[in-house]
Amino acid sequence: SYGLTQAPSVSVSPGQTATITCSGENLDDKYVCWYQQQPGQSPLVVIYQDNRRPSGIPERFFGSHSGNTATLTIRETQTIDEADYYCQAWDSGTRDVLFGGGTKLTVL
Amino acid sequence: QVQLVQSGSQLKKPGASVKVSCKASGYTFTTFSINWVRQAPGQGLEWMGWIDTSSGKPSYAQDFTGRFVFSLDTSVSTAYLQINYLASEDTAVYYCARTYNWRYVSYFDHWGQGTLLTVSS
Repeated sequence: SYGLTQAPSVSVSPGQTATITCSGENLDDKYVCWYQQQPGQSPLVVIYQDNRRPSGIPERFFGSHSGNTATLTIRETQTIDEADYYCQAWDSGTRDVLFGGGTKLTVL
Repeated sequence: QVQLVQSGSQLKKPGASVKVSCKASGYTFTTFSINWVRQAPGQGLEWMGWIDTSSGKPSYAQDFTGRFVFSLDTSVSTAYLQINYLASEDTAVYYCARTYNWRYVSYFDHWGQGTLLTVSS
């Protein structure tokens, strides 16, 4: 199997748009989801199936996927969005789960 | 509502074993598989593998074969993670997570609160 690549950190000013990317070989034939992990908390899914939001997740969170890169976009970023974000994909052939290394989003 | 409640923090000595529990409620336990995820201090999420709650069959990620054992007690809707021959490198938070699977879509829709395992002499 292979891993997914994320930038270690992203910084954004409050009210601006944060963009977090996730890339990997053969990612184009897999769905991607995104988890938010606040300090000391369990991860929480914010996007699944590339671009679907679970109930309760603000519309500011937007997912997209093109080729071997998936993107999590957070519009009008707020200080409460400061967290680690992980992408995840699933290989339906091997049934392996793949995680990205995580991106620490700083809002300042 | 769906809940996964894990057992509490553990301090173990090297060479010992530990068993972490994950009790599910709010849904039919055998209809969703359970995955296990490790997070070492200051590190990212690491997938350990999963257990099919309808058959009891476990599957382990490449780095988690040998010392790691997934099991179930469906009578109490509980999944277990046992780690044998503990080493300091096993110090981490261990999460169980319920898995939503449909065709090519798979993600963890509910997570336990995590169990901190510290291995130290």
